[in-house]
Amino acid sequence: DAGVTQSPTHLIKTRGQQVTLRCSPKSGHDTVSWYQQALGQGPQFIFQYYEEEERQRGNFPDRFSGHQYPNYSSELNVNALLLGDSALYLCASSLGVSPLHFGNGTRLTVT
Amino acid sequence: GESVGLHLPTLSVQEGDNSIINCAYSNSASDYFIWYKQESGKGPQFIIDIRSNMDKRQGQRVTVLLNKTVKHLSLQIAATQPGDSAVYFCAENKFQAGTALIFGKGTTLSVSS
Repeated sequence: DAGVTQSPTHLIKTRGQQVTLRCSPKSGHDTVSWYQQALGQGPQFIFQYYEEEERQRGNFPDRFSGHQYPNYSSELNVNALLLGDSALYLCASSLGVSPLHFGNGTRLTVT
Repeated sequence: GESVGLHLPTLSVQEGDNSIINCAYSNSASDYFIWYKQESGKGPQFIIDIRSNMDKRQGQRVTVLLNKTVKHLSLQIAATQPGDSAVYFCAENKFQAGTALIFGKGTTLSVSS
């Protein structure tokens, strides 16, 4: 049974560019959450998708947007990249109030 | 603002010892707490969780204690093994506000054999 899978594993972008990160949830899960983890810090909640809609959002600017597809997979889009967007982006899936299951993340470097 | 924090950034123990990792939280309205383990290059891995109507919960080699009076959470690992070396995060949630987790900064556990 595959867990949460994310792609790509690493990505290098230039300031001002746009990026799309992808996530497939654990089998049987219907809710996808995205977190940003800066080096040496705990993950910070970006937003959560359920039934193809953004259900909850953290304190992140509108440059961060997302999407959830009917098969529950999800994308995180970041526009107008800043150097400070360099981080590990984690996707987590869940079903109801079950604990979040995390993927291994996408390491984004903005130069 | 309200956040979850950890008392010590690092903890070093010998193999076979018991480890205790502490966490203080400031939001008295939080009703769900969870511990994650994160190894280098990997995402956080669920260890154990506890709801605010409980004081203690045990898993395999791990115990979580919740003291709501002083807003303190701890993770106890019995017979610590080298494979337990990782960064440990506590996180909190208030279900009425949704299911988003608020994470602390983490404690790095180093186990020497």
